[in-house]
Amino acid sequence: DQQVKQNSPSLSVQEGRISILNCDYTNSMFDYFLWYKKYPAEGPTFLISISSIKDKNEDGRFTVFLNKSAKHLSLHIVPSQPGDSAVYFCAASVASSGDKLTFGTGTRLAVRP
Amino acid sequence: DTAVSQTPKYLVTQMGNDKSIKCEQNLGHDTMYWYKQDSKKFLKIMFSYNNKELIINETVPNRFSPKSPDKAHLNLHINSLELGDSAVYFCASSPGTTEETQYFGPGTRLLVL
Repeated sequence: DQQVKQNSPSLSVQEGRISILNCDYTNSMFDYFLWYKKYPAEGPTFLISISSIKDKNEDGRFTVFLNKSAKHLSLHIVPSQPGDSAVYFCAASVASSGDKLTFGTGTRLAVRP
Repeated sequence: DTAVSQTPKYLVTQMGNDKSIKCEQNLGHDTMYWYKQDSKKFLKIMFSYNNKELIINETVPNRFSPKSPDKAHLNLHINSLELGDSAVYFCASSPGTTEETQYFGPGTRLLVL
């Protein structure tokens, strides 16, 4: 049973436009959410996170939005660059579990020049 | 049915012991991975196997040895456990190359005392 879902396996965006990657979760106990970026032949690297006490967190071109009532979060990349082409994983954790992560299956983003 | 399963989910052991973590995927994927989550955010790739052959072997102590009896299984053996090995270990699988989206297991929390 997938508790963290990324329903779009792939996304293609024009360079300079906005990329929006979506993630849904089912476990209402999750209180910390992360996005990872993964290049081929490498492990996922941490990108940005958000705590459930916030609904938005911004870091440069990357913004994560959290809608707790909808159990939905999204990652916005503005403007998108070709170097952003990678697989993006959403992950969630429950603080009381000692931060063990539960991962989505990933969305492959392709940014076209 | 669970796509990627790991056993055990929790493992508490003494320093110096030898232990194994098992991973099985029923997705028919060709590639399997082991990752170590050693803090709240950081996930490091340890090994990757494609059709039972090692394709990624990051710098990990040789106390860690992956074993793939068939392409549905990738087990992690750890000899002479040390305190610093305490972490959550994730198994994952993907259909083909490392560019594909990945299905993560639930993780195994290892605590070395």
